Amino acid sequence: AQKVTQAQTEISVVEKEDVTLDCVYETRDTTYYLFWYKQPPSGELVFLIRRNSFDEQNEISGRYSWNFQKSTSSFNFTITASQVVDSAVYFCALSGGGYQKVTFGTGTKLQVIP
Amino acid sequence: DGGITQSPKYLFRKEGQNVTLSCEQNLNHDAMYWYRQDPGQGLRLIYYSQIVNDFQKGDIAEGYSVSREKKESFPLTVTSAQKNPTAFYLCASSEQLTYEQYFGPGTRLTVT
Repeated sequence: AQKVTQAQTEISVVEKEDVTLDCVYETRDTTYYLFWYKQPPSGELVFLIRRNSFDEQNEISGRYSWNFQKSTSSFNFTITASQVVDSAVYFCALSGGGYQKVTFGTGTKLQVIP
Repeated sequence: DGGITQSPKYLFRKEGQNVTLSCEQNLNHDAMYWYRQDPGQGLRLIYYSQIVNDFQKGDIAEGYSVSREKKESFPLTVTSAQKNPTAFYLCASSEQLTYEQYFGPGTRLTVT
């Protein structure tokens, strides 16, 4: 069975602070895929990143960066110099190989205070 | 523009009535999904479909039904058997099950 844990339910930071959202996963598959999605107040989820289990390189996209560590089964997401527009609920998700459906974490609500 | 369309955005129904939520995609994706989200909660998978004329139950399929007669369409019917139908419903699609999903704007269903 697959499982995704986002232990941080809510986080508040002041604008321009850096913030890291944690994601820990469990799977028995050797091939799997990890995702992050953003859900702004409008409700529509937006895809941010997909990473496969064989690629442990960290990824940076503008102010966003992702740290994938298989040794600790974690796929953490860092926002540098946070902005008010980053306020949203962020979901981590996992899809095992072999046509397994995606399992979402419970989400972390991020509030960036001006 | 390519994307997922869900209609209507808000839907109100009386208890005991079936209601069908629309989901259309023009991304040429094989896989489609329906999720339910309750206030302050994560996403729970209702049904998903990998190809036309095939679909599988997700984690909370009871009280719901779907069809996949066309690649671009995956309507969800909330039946009167669903005990707590009031929720936010999200439709999504992806190239395959292991690929990233693209979501529609959602339908907020209220049953009284």
